[in-house]
Amino acid sequence: QTVVTQEPSFSVSPGGTVTLTCGLTSGSVSTANYPSWYHQPPGQAPRTLIYSTNTRSSGVPDRLSGSILGNKAALTITGAQADDEADYYCILFMGSGVWVFGGGTKVTVL
Amino acid sequence: QVQLQESGPGLVKPSETLSLTCTVSGGSVTTGSYHWNWIRKPPGKGLEWIGYLSYSGTIKYNPSLNSRVTISVGTSQSQFSLRLSSVTAADTAVYYCARASGFPVYAFEVWGQGTMVTVSS
Repeated sequence: QTVVTQEPSFSVSPGGTVTLTCGLTSGSVSTANYPSWYHQPPGQAPRTLIYSTNTRSSGVPDRLSGSILGNKAALTITGAQADDEADYYCILFMGSGVWVFGGGTKVTVL
Repeated sequence: QVQLQESGPGLVKPSETLSLTCTVSGGSVTTGSYHWNWIRKPPGKGLEWIGYLSYSGTIKYNPSLNSRVTISVGTSQSQFSLRLSSVTAADTAVYYCARASGFPVYAFEVWGQGTMVTVSS
């Protein structure tokens, strides 16, 4: 079964930069997986940040960016702010027509 | 602007069947190239994809839940439903419905607010 890997947690200083990654236990993530990124603040529904690897959803600031780094998808947050504290999820679309979710990364800003 | 709203019992007994409905305001599950999904988030854990129903009638399930899950169009074309049989405490979670775009975007665009379901006797 396909498993998507994400770092369990990351800590970043206010104003700092953090890069979250999204990989596969077997194989590489590519643009053909249409990697997308979502964040979920505590007690709220998820919100779309990035889709199709690097396209920002409406209203998402340009200090958030998506890319492919090596064999993984990546989400980079620059100029970290307090309201960036949330759980971040990567979602991939597989060729078999199913979606697979990463386990999420908890980002702390302190 | 499409909005989604989950509804159903908040408490289900072990071994029984969990049933939820997602109501789509401003749209229909049979039009547009969308996937109509169910996702859940157990307490203290991450999001888990359950499955989807597409506009064309294609249905896909998470292999880990495949034998217990049924997703179908609801009583109207503005609803779709989830049935999860033989539930245990491990099925306790916030359940979300969400709309995802298909080709060429493949992204979850619209989410419901979620509904908490507890499995307990």
